[in-house]
Amino acid sequence: EAGVTQFPSHSVIEKGQTVTLRCDPISGHDNLYWYRRVMGKEIKFLLHFVKESKQDESGMPNNRFLAERTGGTYSTLKVQPAELEDSGVYFCASSRLAGGTGTDTQYFGPGTRLTVL
Amino acid sequence: SQQGEEDPQALSIQEGENATMNCSYKTSINNLQWYRQNSGRGLVHLILIRSNEREKHSGRLRVTLDTSKKSSSLLITASRAADTASYFCATGPSGNTPLVFGKGTRLSVIA
Repeated sequence: EAGVTQFPSHSVIEKGQTVTLRCDPISGHDNLYWYRRVMGKEIKFLLHFVKESKQDESGMPNNRFLAERTGGTYSTLKVQPAELEDSGVYFCASSRLAGGTGTDTQYFGPGTRLTVL
Repeated sequence: SQQGEEDPQALSIQEGENATMNCSYKTSINNLQWYRQNSGRGLVHLILIRSNEREKHSGRLRVTLDTSKKSSSLLITASRAADTASYFCATGPSGNTPLVFGKGTRLSVIA
């Protein structure tokens, strides 16, 4: 079974430019999450999709960040315009939809390292 | 607010020794998961323990959970140089909700 994949692995852009990150979850996983780790700090939640719907976007830092998950498959996270403080590693994770009080493992992709100069 | 908080922040041991990392959290959880991150790479899931479980084993890994103390520990036995990595605990308030991570413990295993 293929794991979660992310593209690109690295991106270096200048302040003010636009960058789009892509995440392909494990096939059949309805839950898709975006997280971010800024240098020296903890990994923080950004956004949660259930299929194509945004379930929780409370972690999105501001309106420069836009996430989509068309058709409930892959997801994109666009940063426009990028600022210096957006630098960090962006992780995507996916899991099966758990029913009731159940839970399922979140599997993470390798991350995209974004550097904004 | 930060949920999981690992202790110690950094740990250096000799190959063959055991490594113990602790995690404390603040609110009620549905599950707690431990992840490993090798330098520059993604997060690898190690083990998930549910709130109604007290201990789980997976190979050389042993995880305990004490919900009364809101704490968990990860024990790696007979460590190897390849275990060198950062280890994170992450708590899940309920089934499908996002994980809340601590800052991690950086483990160095010296050959």
